[in-house]
Amino acid sequence: NAGVTQTPKFQVLKTGQSMTLQCAQDMNHEYMSWYRQDPGMGLRLIHYSVGAGITDQGEVPNGYNVSRSTTEDFPLRLLSAAPSQTSVYFCASSWGHEQYFGPGTRLTVT
Amino acid sequence: GESVGLHLPTLSVQEGDNSIINCAYSNSASDYFIWYKQESGKGPQFIIDIRSNMDKRQGQRVTVLLNKTVKHLSLQIAATQPGDSAVYFCADGYSSASKIIFGSGTRLSIRP
Repeated sequence: NAGVTQTPKFQVLKTGQSMTLQCAQDMNHEYMSWYRQDPGMGLRLIHYSVGAGITDQGEVPNGYNVSRSTTEDFPLRLLSAAPSQTSVYFCASSWGHEQYFGPGTRLTVT
Repeated sequence: GESVGLHLPTLSVQEGDNSIINCAYSNSASDYFIWYKQESGKGPQFIIDIRSNMDKRQGQRVTVLLNKTVKHLSLQIAATQPGDSAVYFCADGYSSASKIIFGSGTRLSIRP
């Protein structure tokens, strides 16, 4: 199994641009989540999903959209990038409470 | 509200000694806690978890203690090794398996 994969690994955006961070898992996990991690900080939950077609907001959802059309994929969309969204983004999946994290996407917004 | 916090941002221990990382939480309804290890440049990795109906749980070289009276949990690492150098997070998973709230982390460094 590849586990949780994220693309791209690195991305630089200009303010106002939009993009989609991809996340996929091949473990048939029902639960998937997106987190952001700022330097020297913990992870903050952006959005999460308990199954295909079901998503909900986490702690910091503003500026981000998600969808879950399949069990495997959980893309995160930035509608209009802002410098405050510069961060490392982690996707995670789980069947129970043991989450498996992807390697992260480092995003810089200039 | 939903929050977890850590007492110290950094912890330095001698190789071979035991490490103790502490965490406080505020939500009395929390019923599940998880400890994660994050090495530089990587995503967090699950270490051990504990439910609120338990006081103690042991894994391989790690023990988690939960004190519900004072809303405190700790992670003990026995015979700390250089490979234990990382940032350790406690997390509160009371809401659901996908809505897990992280604390700010403690960086553990090992002195040779």
